[in-house]
Amino acid sequence: SQTIHQWPATLVQPVGSPLSLECTVEGTSNPNLYWYRQAAGRGLQLLFYSVGIGQISSEVPQNLSASRPQDRQFILSSKKLLLSDSGFYLCAWSGQPNTEAFFGQGTRLTVV
Amino acid sequence: SQQGEEDPQALSIQEGENATMNCSYKTSINNLQWYRQNSGRGLVHLILIRSNEREKHSGRLRVTLDTSKKSSSLLITASRAADTASYFCATPEGSGNTPLVFGKGTRLSVIA
Repeated sequence: SQTIHQWPATLVQPVGSPLSLECTVEGTSNPNLYWYRQAAGRGLQLLFYSVGIGQISSEVPQNLSASRPQDRQFILSSKKLLLSDSGFYLCAWSGQPNTEAFFGQGTRLTVV
Repeated sequence: SQQGEEDPQALSIQEGENATMNCSYKTSINNLQWYRQNSGRGLVHLILIRSNEREKHSGRLRVTLDTSKKSSSLLITASRAADTASYFCATPEGSGNTPLVFGKGTRLSVIA
């Protein structure tokens, strides 16, 4: 069966520090991969999505970047965090286009 | 990008009552999906309804889709305290292999 792993679960980082959040999927090949951000009590904002290795689409210009070094690995990064980067980050994958998405458990990032 | 908008933003009901949440979207879709999110967790897929379907059932869940009004509803019958969560509708951003775009969600509280 397919599983998605996202870590860490919580992270407190100072302003100006770098960020690396990792997401891996098991049990499937060539998944579509997504990074979403959710502000407190709000909906999900799509940040990046990838349909294959090295193929990254950015939805929102910002202080973040994403990479897909391997088929089932998706990394969200920042060189210098801002206070506004705080939020709940969710990784997800899907198989066929427009089918259901499967989410990781999320990372609660607090920038202080 | 198109986005579903849920209504109401928050809903509080007694255990055993039915809960109805609505979703409106902006452009043509090939499917619409509903997800559930427990506080501080990832989203879980509940049901997908295709554009050529008008109604779909899954256990205590009933989803309707009216493409002429660009709206959908999620009905949870005989609600339980464990149904307390946020519920989101999601639609593909466009045609082809595109990511899901989520609404801001409805926060459902079921009081025992």
